[in-house]
Amino acid sequence: QKEVEQDPGPLSVPEGAIVSLNCTYSNSAFQYFMWYRQYSRKGPELLMYTYSSGNKEDGRFTAQLNKASQYVSLLIRDSQPSDSATYLCAVNLNNDMRFGAGTRLTVKP
Amino acid sequence: GAVVSQHPSRVICKSGTSVKIECRSLDFQATTMFWYRQFPKQSLMLMATSNEGSKATYEQGVEKDKFLINHASLTLSTLTVTSAHPEDSSFYICSARGNSGSVLVFGPGTRLTVL
Repeated sequence: QKEVEQDPGPLSVPEGAIVSLNCTYSNSAFQYFMWYRQYSRKGPELLMYTYSSGNKEDGRFTAQLNKASQYVSLLIRDSQPSDSATYLCAVNLNNDMRFGAGTRLTVKP
Repeated sequence: GAVVSQHPSRVICKSGTSVKIECRSLDFQATTMFWYRQFPKQSLMLMATSNEGSKATYEQGVEKDKFLINHASLTLSTLTVTSAHPEDSSFYICSARGNSGSVLVFGPGTRLTVL
């Protein structure tokens, strides 16, 4: 079992849709949970990070962490074509980072 | 916020030559930097951890003599791909821990093409 697993995608949605990207992790000791967005041919950029169960909201983006069930999700509301990218889930234990394989999202105008 | 830069953004070289890629933390000091490689449509693969003032730690399967890492200051790490071959063509990305300490900040990446 991989330490971090993401829905493989690719995912294609119409503009304005609500998108939920999901990530599960195998080690309950992971401490920090991050979502990165990577545009084609660019380095990943941090979208959000969280460390406590519950929701963390930033504009159209909400990170939902459930430590009991060991999953973290990223909710994108009112999706835009500019949201088209690969989304990477990452977890951190004592500064040792682990990444999911990423989910490619396309938002069609 | 913390910013990491890379130079060059893209490089094309002939097989057998060496290529140096620079990674800089612009507004913070990074005692540790990380080098990743990413093939098309695949996720990040950690190559090595670069430690300021000491030898880099390489992941299993990564040739340390081929991928030379030098972390000479708190803001600069370099990756040199020696005797490059076409199979070394990839997207190389560096990262460093931002001010919060637990979150990685990535550089924009360097696309290497070996002819």
